[in-house]
Amino acid sequence: EVQLVESGGGLVQPGRSLKLSCLASGFTFSNYGMNWIRQAPGKGLEWVASISSSSSYIYYADTVKGRFTISRDNAKNTLYLQMTSLRSEDTALYYCASHTIDYWGQGVMVTVSS
Amino acid sequence: DIQMTQSPASLSASPEEIVTITCQASQDIGNWLAWYQQKPGKSPQLLIYSATSLADGIPSRFSGSRSGTQYSLKISRLQVEDTGIYYCLQRYSNPPTFGAGTKLELK
Repeated sequence: EVQLVESGGGLVQPGRSLKLSCLASGFTFSNYGMNWIRQAPGKGLEWVASISSSSSYIYYADTVKGRFTISRDNAKNTLYLQMTSLRSEDTALYYCASHTIDYWGQGVMVTVSS
Repeated sequence: DIQMTQSPASLSASPEEIVTITCQASQDIGNWLAWYQQKPGKSPQLLIYSATSLADGIPSRFSGSRSGTQYSLKISRLQVEDTGIYYCLQRYSNPPTFGAGTKLELK
C-alpha cells in the first residue's frame, strides 16, 4: 500500500524558513518523480513543485520560484520542501503527491503569521 | 500556463440524479486530464485519469468523457456519499493546473 506521510509544518513568522518532509513507503520511491501541492484555507488546489526520480528535472510554480527548493533523498525514501522568505500567502495545507498525482499524503499545515 | 475553466462552481442535486461537471482547457491537452473528489478534512482522491479511465476502487457511476478541449465528469445515480468538492487537473504541460473546483451538495 502506498503511503505518503508529511511532517515539519507549523507556525512561522513572515520572512522565516521551514522545511517539510514526506516519507514514502509501499513503492520504489527512487523510480518515481514526486510533487508538492498546496491548498490555502478554504481555497482550491495549487501545484507547487515537482522533481524527477533522479533529481535531474525540477520545476516550480512562479509563486514560489526562488524561495522554495524541492529535493529528495532516495536512500531515505524522503521528499523535502525547503521554504524560505515565507509570506502570509504561503499559509496552506501542503500535500506531497506521487508523480502522476494519484496518491496524496494527508497534508501538513504551514501557517505564516507574526 | 494552461487555464482550466471549471463549471459550475457549485451545484445541488437529489439522490439518484445524474450530474455533470465540466472543465474547459485553454489549449489542447490530449487526454492528460484527471478528476478528483475532496471531502472535508481529507486529501483529494483520484476518480478518473487519462480523461476517461476509472481509478481503482471508484464506483462505476463515475465516468469521464472528452470532446475536443472540453472534459466532463458524470455522476450517475447520485449517492449521499458523493458530496464534496470536485477538481479537474491537467498534466499535459508544466505547470500542472487545477480547475477552481465544483462544490456538490445533495438536496
